[in-house]
Amino acid sequence: NAGVTQTPKFQVLKTGQSMTLQCAQDMNHEYMSWYRQDPGMGLRLIHYSVGAGITDQGEVPNGYNVSRSTTEDFPLRLLSAAPSQTSVYFCASSYGVPNEQFFGPGTRLTVL
Amino acid sequence: ELKVEQNPLFLSMQEGKNYTIYCNYSTTSDRLYWYRQDPGKSLESLFVLLSNGAVKQEGRLMASLDTKARLSTLHITAAVHDLSATYFCAVRQTGANNLFFGTGTRLTVIP
Repeated sequence: NAGVTQTPKFQVLKTGQSMTLQCAQDMNHEYMSWYRQDPGMGLRLIHYSVGAGITDQGEVPNGYNVSRSTTEDFPLRLLSAAPSQTSVYFCASSYGVPNEQFFGPGTRLTVL
Repeated sequence: ELKVEQNPLFLSMQEGKNYTIYCNYSTTSDRLYWYRQDPGKSLESLFVLLSNGAVKQEGRLMASLDTKARLSTLHITAAVHDLSATYFCAVRQTGANNLFFGTGTRLTVIP
């Protein structure tokens, strides 16, 4: 049981580049979510999904897209990276909507 | 938008002492969460509180919820160095599927 996995662990992008952060879970959880963590601001919800084919916006969705084609995977796409998107990104999943959440190890993204 | 406030933001305490972290939120909620984060690491779930008056305990940590006051507390009993971490509360607005986090309380336990 790998839990929640995220790739890559670190990424450096140039302004305007696009990329996809990968998130996968092997616990058959319906609920998955993406957060960003910035110093002094706690975690803020970007997007979430309550099941395959269903996604919704969180608190800070601008500049990010998600899709959920399978229960296991929930990728986060940055369309055109900006320095303001420099952050640590966490993916989480839970059984139910939402119960105890299990967090992935995080991706540290720097946009130059 | 739901606002979540934690205090204190920073807490330095001696081993063996007791202290409480407070989490206030601005609108009705049906679920409150506490997490722990060690420096450079991910978040670990501590407690999920579901109803008014709920109390949960694990080791030296005890969490409680007062939905009428929109307040949750995380009480630390006889602190030990291993409890040094940042503690976050998060709140789910009633009937919604998104969570709002507090800014965290960085706890340092001094030997």
